[in-house]
Amino acid sequence: SQKIEQNSEALNIQEGKTATLTCNYTNYSPAYLQWYRQDPGRGPVFLLLIRENEKEKRKERLKVTFDTTLKQSLFHITASQPADSATYLCAPLNAGNMLTFGGGTRLMVKP
Amino acid sequence: ETGVTQSPTHLIKTRGQQVTLRCSSQSGHNTVSWYQQALGQGPQFIFQYYREEENGRGNFPPRFSGLQFPNYSSELNVNALELDDSALYLCASSLSGGSGELFFGEGSRLTVL
Repeated sequence: SQKIEQNSEALNIQEGKTATLTCNYTNYSPAYLQWYRQDPGRGPVFLLLIRENEKEKRKERLKVTFDTTLKQSLFHITASQPADSATYLCAPLNAGNMLTFGGGTRLMVKP
Repeated sequence: ETGVTQSPTHLIKTRGQQVTLRCSSQSGHNTVSWYQQALGQGPQFIFQYYREEENGRGNFPPRFSGLQFPNYSSELNVNALELDDSALYLCASSLSGGSGELFFGEGSRLTVL
């Protein structure tokens, strides 16, 4: 069955460092993958989309990579700030062309 | 441009009851998706509606049903509530043929006692 895995343990980093979050998926090949940010008690907010023919996508301090051979996407936040503290969700498009979400990774950036 | 709005924001029901949650899409969006998010977990896909018809469904029993109206607003109905139905229910709108980006509402927090 299709599976999406994100590190369920919180990632704690110091302000100014680069945060790297991992998303692994199995048993399918998504046409694209999206990343969302979710703050406590709020709905997810779209950040970036990367297609299967793109290796890397950037937006301001955010960078996403997509390795279809490894079946993995990495999400980087450079020069992290306490305001970046949130849960980050990866969402590959599934075989039924519906967006499915991983469990999310909580990022804590300490001043 | 108005965003996605959901109602009610919080509600409490008892086991066996029925609940209806409502969602107004972002202006111009013709597709609505519903997700269930248990505490500490990622959103789980329930179903999607496009042009008033169910367009895809996740692994949820038939007691989860929905509607989409001509103005693209939507309802999620859950019958015979169980304790495990306690969750945040998220509605997301999108534009068919668009980039696939989902615009989420703030959710309806359902507690089943």
